[in-house]
Amino acid sequence: NAGVMQNPRHLVRRRGQEARLRCSPMKGHSHVYWYRQLPEEGLKFMVYLQKENIIDESGMPKERFSAEFPKEGPSILRIQQVVRGDSAAYFCASSPRDRAGQPQHFGDGTRLSIL
Amino acid sequence: LAKTTQPISMDSYEGQEVNITCSHNNIATNDYITWYQQFPSQGPRFIIQGYKTKVTNEVASLFIPADRKSSTLSLPRVSLSDTAVYYCLVQTGANNLFFGTGTRLTVIP
Repeated sequence: NAGVMQNPRHLVRRRGQEARLRCSPMKGHSHVYWYRQLPEEGLKFMVYLQKENIIDESGMPKERFSAEFPKEGPSILRIQQVVRGDSAAYFCASSPRDRAGQPQHFGDGTRLSIL
Repeated sequence: LAKTTQPISMDSYEGQEVNITCSHNNIATNDYITWYQQFPSQGPRFIIQGYKTKVTNEVASLFIPADRKSSTLSLPRVSLSDTAVYYCLVQTGANNLFFGTGTRLTVIP
């Protein structure tokens, strides 16, 4: 059952370090989305990517955060110089195409803890 | 993005049918209504999606009136394992989804 795979499941970093979160979409899916979830809240959209292109990054902070989805390999969400406020669960979703009513399929997230 | 309104929480006894209603007054012509389920420490899981009238699959039914300004997710004969947060979303294309705070369903033995 090759669903959306995220790793690591848990990541601990000290303030000022870099965090790299990886996401492998479902087989055949070329659209990837990243979301952030704080405790007791809903998911908040961060960025939408297709292979080698960022389509919508309106939900991503302008500084320290970047995302990529290379031609080969997983999508990467990178957070530089992490701060305590970056502690959250980060979820990745994928879909086969951007078409009306196409549901997204989610991974089980990476829980980032900043010491 | 059309916003949705749904109850913050609901309780139900095991074996009962649960109906969760969601309001989406600003839904657009091209929007679909999609429901997700989320357990603690897991990602949201797609439950059901519809555009109008009624949709049924192996786990739930979705009722959408003609004006499409609301929808009702129906879970037949819930069990303890259905305790989760349920999110109602309106979706145009596969673009970014807006998750509200969802409905926290607690199933009581």
